Amino acid sequence: DGGITQSPKYLFRKEGQNVTLSCEQNLNHDAMYWYRQDPGQGLRLIYYSQIVNDFQKGDIAEGYSVSREKKESFPLTVTSAQKNPTAFYLCASSTEDSRQGTQYFGPGTRLTVL
Amino acid sequence: AQSVAQPEDQVNVAEGNPLTVKCTYSVSGNPYLFWYVQYPNRGLQFLLKYITGDNLVKGSYGFEAEFNKSQTSFHLKKPSALVSDSALYFCAVREAGSARQLTFGSGTQLTVLP
Repeated sequence: DGGITQSPKYLFRKEGQNVTLSCEQNLNHDAMYWYRQDPGQGLRLIYYSQIVNDFQKGDIAEGYSVSREKKESFPLTVTSAQKNPTAFYLCASSTEDSRQGTQYFGPGTRLTVL
Repeated sequence: AQSVAQPEDQVNVAEGNPLTVKCTYSVSGNPYLFWYVQYPNRGLQFLLKYITGDNLVKGSYGFEAEFNKSQTSFHLKKPSALVSDSALYFCAVREAGSARQLTFGSGTQLTVLP
């Protein structure tokens, strides 16, 4: 987990609320990623960013939004439009050569909707 | 299109015995292949990767994996299992030269019995 921090570790949200998950890295990596993990489904890509001020949708972007204003930071907002947001959220980063580069993961944030 | 399959949800092995966690993949061209391990409520840790070259890849904690192009497999192996190896293991693939991001398998829960 070293080099990538995610906060908070646990997050509880009421239905209808937006929440923002933090991801910071000090590895000087260009690319950053957000994944959602549900039991038995592996990891699914939400959004990714290969450079500051640019990002692309992944496989399950609906109901989520991101920003990439700084190289070190890639926050994820879970909006009220996300119908089933309870999950474990993982942030990752990789080197400039993201096609071959290894992705390194943060410790994760567990979001629960009450 | 690219995909990866981990045919076993659960693998049990006795401590000291060799272990194998299976992974098969599907890509149109050449694959980049990765193995990660996840301990409970933690992020993923990188174990090893195959990009090109020697089909036998050695990684962290005594793990290795063999790339078999004809069988489209990349099974993870360890000669002698430890109880501390008990965790969730993920295989991932990316097609070389593709704009698509990493695709993860659904995971295999390894339990090493003392």
